[in-house]
Amino acid sequence: DQQVKQNSPSLSVQEGRISILNCDYTNSMFDYFLWYKKYPAEGPTFLISISSIKDKNEDGRFTVFLNKSAKHLSLHIVPSQPGDSAVYFCAASAQNSGNTPLVFGKGTRLSVIA
Amino acid sequence: DTGVSQDPRHKITKRGQNVTFRCDPISEHNRLYWYRQTLGQGPEFLTYFQNEAQLEKSRLLSDRFSAERPKGSFSTLEIQRTEQGDSAMYLCASSLLRLNSGNTIYFGEGSWLTVV
Repeated sequence: DQQVKQNSPSLSVQEGRISILNCDYTNSMFDYFLWYKKYPAEGPTFLISISSIKDKNEDGRFTVFLNKSAKHLSLHIVPSQPGDSAVYFCAASAQNSGNTPLVFGKGTRLSVIA
Repeated sequence: DTGVSQDPRHKITKRGQNVTFRCDPISEHNRLYWYRQTLGQGPEFLTYFQNEAQLEKSRLLSDRFSAERPKGSFSTLEIQRTEQGDSAMYLCASSLLRLNSGNTIYFGEGSWLTVV
């Protein structure tokens, strides 16, 4: 059973527009969420995280929103740039249960078109 | 560069051979993780260490797989009697676990394994 789901395998966005990547989770014990970016043949790179005590966290062009009641989070990238083209993974863990290992979604491939 | 380092980056081996991957974590990090990633999937958890203690193993980690972190620093992941289904990218990650703080893990570049 997939505890972290990214239902959109791919997304195409024009340069300068907003990219919105979505993620849903099923485990109510999850309380720490992260987004990673991955280029081909490289390891995932940490982008941004959010704790369940917040509903928004912002870092430059990247903002993560958390809706605990819906068990849903999203990553907004504004403005999108061609260099943002990569696979984005959502991940979650249960910090208050001993910081369980991260569980990842299957990823969303973002293509930013110039 | 003080990031997570993995070696080798690529390994091609014949079915039935043994392979070993090495991971050097970020120096002050106390947790070390092994994940596996195949095409179209996200990273899948295999096992992790806190210092030298192996705290959890996934059911994905069959008895052909063994991981060690003998002195709480570098780690090795050995796969015995490799099978074609073992072909994947093996990712190592590390983190500094702090009380009341989210556990962000940082990945290495990965080790590609191809079993022919």
